Amino acid sequence: GDSVTQMEGPVTLSEEAFLTINCTYTATGYPSLFWYVQYPGEGLQLLLKATKADDKGSNKGFEATYRKETTSFHLEKGSVQVSDSAVYFCALRDTNAGKSTFGDGTTLTVKP
Amino acid sequence: KAGVTQTPRYLIKTRGQQVTLSCSPISGHRSVSWYQQTPGQGLQFLFEYFSETQRNKGNFPGRFSGRQFSNSRSEMNVSTLELGDSALYLCASSGGRGADTQYFGPGTRLTVL
Repeated sequence: GDSVTQMEGPVTLSEEAFLTINCTYTATGYPSLFWYVQYPGEGLQLLLKATKADDKGSNKGFEATYRKETTSFHLEKGSVQVSDSAVYFCALRDTNAGKSTFGDGTTLTVKP
Repeated sequence: KAGVTQTPRYLIKTRGQQVTLSCSPISGHRSVSWYQQTPGQGLQFLFEYFSETQRNKGNFPGRFSGRQFSNSRSEMNVSTLELGDSALYLCASSGGRGADTQYFGPGTRLTVL
C-alpha cells in the first residue's frame, strides 16, 4: 500500500536558519503530494501541494518539488521565523481510492 | 467562505459509552473524510463519504461507523468506547470525486475515562 516517510524530529533551528524536512513516498499510482502544518490545539492547515512530477508547490516562503525519480517531496524554507514553530506533515492523496496517507509529522521549533 | 466545522470541540466519555461527532464541510464540498490522530499511531484514515455513500474505509473495528447526509454534513459514531479511543478526530472535506485537496476542521478532542 501507499506510505509516506518523513525525517524524524524534533528539529530545532535558530531564527533565519535554512529549513529542510525530508519526505519520501511509496505509491502505486500517480498521487498528489501535500504538506500540511498543525499548530497546537488546531487541525491541519494546507501549506502547499503539487499534483504531478516536477511541479513545485510554494506558499509563505515554503517550497517543495514533486520528484518522481527519487519519490521525494522535501519541504524547504530559506529563513525560518519563530512563528513557523509547528508540526509539519507530508501526505499523499490517491484520488481514485479516496484516501490520504500521512507521514508521522516533524516537530519544528524555531528559537529567537 | 466558512471552513470545515466540527462539533463538539471537546468530549469526555467513560468506557462503554457511545459518542457521535459531527462535521460540516465547506459549502459546495461533497466529499468528507475522517481521521483519528493519536501520539502513538499518528494520523490514521477512518473513512470517506461522497454523496452519502461510503467510498473507502480504513482498518478500524466495526465500532467505528459514519454516515453522510444529503446536505453533505457527516457524522461519525463510536460505540462501546475503549480507553484507546481517546484521540483527536479530524474531519476533512474536498470538492468532489477526484478533487484532491482536502481541507481540515479543527478536530474534536475525545477523552475516554
